[in-house]
Amino acid sequence: SQTIHQWPATLVQPVGSPLSLECTVEGTSNPNLYWYRQAAGRGLQLLFYSVGIGQISSEVPQNLSASRPQDRQFILSSKKLLLSDSGFYLCAWSSQEGTEAFFGQGTRLTVV
Amino acid sequence: SQQGEEDPQALSIQEGENATMNCSYKTSINNLQWYRQNSGRGLVHLILIRSNEREKHSGRLRVTLDTSKKSSSLLITASRAADTASYFCATGAGSYQLTFGKGTKLSVIP
Repeated sequence: SQTIHQWPATLVQPVGSPLSLECTVEGTSNPNLYWYRQAAGRGLQLLFYSVGIGQISSEVPQNLSASRPQDRQFILSSKKLLLSDSGFYLCAWSSQEGTEAFFGQGTRLTVV
Repeated sequence: SQQGEEDPQALSIQEGENATMNCSYKTSINNLQWYRQNSGRGLVHLILIRSNEREKHSGRLRVTLDTSKKSSSLLITASRAADTASYFCATGAGSYQLTFGKGTKLSVIP
């Protein structure tokens, strides 16, 4: 069966520090991978998606970047965090047909 | 951008009652999905309905889709305290992307 791992679960970082969130998927090949951000009491905002190794599409201009160094690994990064980067970050995968998405447990990021 | 809009934003019911949540969207879709999110956790897929389907059932869940009105509803029958969560609709219009609404926060009172 397929599983998705996302870590860390919580993170408190100072303004200006770098960020690296990692997400890995097991039990499937060539998944579509996604990073979403959820502000408190809000819906999900798609940040990045990837349909293959090295292929990243950005949905919104921001202080963040994403990379896919391996088929089942998706990394969300920032060189210098801003206060506005605080939020709940969710990684997800779907099959190539792009139907239902399977989510990780999320990372609560607080920038102080 | 968010295409789906859930209604109501919050819903409080007694255990055993039915809960109905609605979703409206703006553009053509291939499918519409409903997800559940417990507080502080990831989303869990509940049910998918394709654009050529009108109704679908899964256990205590019933989903309807009206493409002419660009709307969907999720009915949870005989609610339980464990159904307390936020529920999101998501529309699939292309091959890779899902667009989520802001969700309905459901509280089921024991």
